[in-house]
Amino acid sequence: SQQGEEDPQALSIQEGENATMNCSYKTSINNLQWYRQNSGRGLVHLILIRSNEREKHSGRLRVTLDTSKKSSSLLITASRAADTASYFCAAFKAAGNKLTFGGGTRVLVKP
Amino acid sequence: NAGVTQTPKFRVLKTGQSMTLLCAQDMNHEYMYWYRQDPGMGLRLIHYSVGEGTTAKGEVPDGYNVSRLNKREFSLRLESAAPSQTSVYFCASSIETLAMNSPLHFGNGTRLTVT
Repeated sequence: SQQGEEDPQALSIQEGENATMNCSYKTSINNLQWYRQNSGRGLVHLILIRSNEREKHSGRLRVTLDTSKKSSSLLITASRAADTASYFCAAFKAAGNKLTFGGGTRVLVKP
Repeated sequence: NAGVTQTPKFRVLKTGQSMTLLCAQDMNHEYMYWYRQDPGMGLRLIHYSVGEGTTAKGEVPDGYNVSRLNKREFSLRLESAAPSQTSVYFCASSIETLAMNSPLHFGNGTRLTVT
C-alpha cells in the first residue's frame, strides 16, 4: 500500500464552491507536497508543508498537516473551471530519501 | 525557458523491442528522476540521479537502465519491452535533494504502449 493515499478519489463541484481533499500517510515524514496534474500533462508543484508546520496558504490554496493523525488536507477556495485536474499528495521521508505519491483525487469543477 | 522536455510524446512498441526515452532540463538542476504512472497507483520512482555520471535505483528499477549523459540530460532505456511496461513515463528534476524541501519539476510525459 502507498505512503500517501487520497480521499476522495473523485470530486465534482460547481464553480465558486470550495473543494477539499485529504491525504493520509503511514510513517513519520519530513515534508508533504501537493501537486496538480492536468489531463495529458506533467505534475505541477503547488505547495510544500514541512513536518513542523501546521498550515500553509498560497493564493486560493490552504494546506493543513496533522502529524499526530498522519494526515493532510488541501482546500481550494472559490473554485474555477480551470481547477479541474487531478491532485496528488506526496510524502517525503528523509530516511531512505523516499518521496511517495498517492493515487490522486480527480476534481471536476462545473461551470 | 522550456523547463523539463521529454521525447518522444507517444510510442508503441512490440514485445521485445528496445527504446530510449530522453529527458532534458534547462534549469541547471542537479537531481533528475524517472517515474512511471499507472492508473490508481500514483507515481513510482524507477531510477534517479544525484549528479552527472551518477545513477541509483528507485522503487521499480527492474527492466530499465538509465544514463545521466551530462547535467542536462537523463535517459531511460528499455532493452526488451514487456506489456507490463505499458505506462506513462515522467521525467522530473529538482535543484537540490528532496531533503532540502526542494520540489520536483516534471516534464509532460511519454505515453508508451507495449503490445
